[in-house]
Amino acid sequence: GENVEQHPSTLSVQEGDSAVIKCTYSDSASNYFPWYKQELGKRPQLIIDIRSNVGEKKDQRIAVTLNKTAKHFSLHITETQPEDSAVYFCAAQKGGGNKLTFGTGTQLKVEL
Amino acid sequence: DSGVTQTPKHLITATGQRVTLRCSPRSGDLSVYWYQQSLDQGLQFLIQYYNGEERAKGNILERFSAQQFPDLHSELNLSSLELGDSALYFCASSVGGGAETQYFGPGTRLLVL
Repeated sequence: GENVEQHPSTLSVQEGDSAVIKCTYSDSASNYFPWYKQELGKRPQLIIDIRSNVGEKKDQRIAVTLNKTAKHFSLHITETQPEDSAVYFCAAQKGGGNKLTFGTGTQLKVEL
Repeated sequence: DSGVTQTPKHLITATGQRVTLRCSPRSGDLSVYWYQQSLDQGLQFLIQYYNGEERAKGNILERFSAQQFPDLHSELNLSSLELGDSALYFCASSVGGGAETQYFGPGTRLLVL
């Protein structure tokens, strides 16, 4: 089955800096890649997603890039703010099989 | 607020007991997914229902079962509970059954003592 690896497990940046989180997936049939943000004890919230027919997608300070050949995708957060502090999960999904396979999460801490 | 509701928010029970978790999907969504989140296992897919039928199964234990009712709400039944079943249980929903956005509910925190 699909396996998603996520790095780093923890990331500490200064406010205003950029943060990058990377994921690799194993199943070349995966075609949908969402990113979720989860604050402590709360539900995962979708922040951005990308499909396999697109190489990059941006939404204000957040962007996601996808390299299908290398089977990896990355989340980029620019001008980080303290409220960006949370755990971020990447995930991969195949069109025919509908479960999301999640990465192990990245604890992002934005320091003042 | 994602539009997905889950009850109860918290549940404390003893080993060997049985509990039922309930989920109501967003209006118009036909698919319901159940996930388990524990500290050492991350977010694990359990099972998916689409329009009342089981669509996909993950690493769901035999002691666990689920169903989706005609009004599309879903229930996850956990029986013969063990200490290791303590976790956050999330329900998510999506419009159809394909590769599309899943919206998560607030979760049920289960503590087995």
